Amino acid sequence: LAKTTQPISMDSYEGQEVNITCSHNNIATNDYITWYQQFPSQGPRFIIQGYKTKVTNEVASLFIPADRKSSTLSLPRVSLSDTAVYYCLVVGNDMRFGAGTRLTVKP
Amino acid sequence: DVKVTQSSRYLVKRTGEKVFLECVQDMDHENMFWYRQDPGLGLRLIYFSYDVKMKEKGDIPEGYSVSREKKERFSLILESASTNQTSMYLCASSSGAEAFFGQGTRLTVV
Repeated sequence: LAKTTQPISMDSYEGQEVNITCSHNNIATNDYITWYQQFPSQGPRFIIQGYKTKVTNEVASLFIPADRKSSTLSLPRVSLSDTAVYYCLVVGNDMRFGAGTRLTVKP
Repeated sequence: DVKVTQSSRYLVKRTGEKVFLECVQDMDHENMFWYRQDPGLGLRLIYFSYDVKMKEKGDIPEGYSVSREKKERFSLILESASTNQTSMYLCASSSGAEAFFGQGTRLTVV
């Protein structure tokens, strides 16, 4: 089972780009990397997934190096409403969340 | 619109009671999951199921059991509720890497 490690918390300011890096050293060949966002009193919400290289959608970008032992979620120009907990997951047959990164966006 | 529905938003039960938490999904997903979430601990996987009548233990299965008799329904059972099972319980379903979550059940055991 690939465990993930990410920073416990990060602070940013409105309008900045935020990069959250996750390490997953023992990721398996068939595993995907996914990121979720969670607001208080809500279930997590899927943001993005990738296998390798770069993936971009309307919300975020995901950068995955060739060895796949880490990944970086990039949030462009964050706003106050992006304050949330962000989880990195390595998904195979199960779906295990770590403690996540608590992002606080300040005005 | 995809939906994962948990039977109760808030629940208060007494110590020793048998508690059933129900989860229903309408997306025909193979995989379903039960988590509990406590402050500072993230989401911890209790049980998951990748097919009808199949179940796998997660990281904290002690004190819990599950039932999946139909594809759309995954039930979490607390055999004898204890105060340390007071928590937010979240159900999810997926057919791949993207999971959809229910609104959660906040269970208080008194």
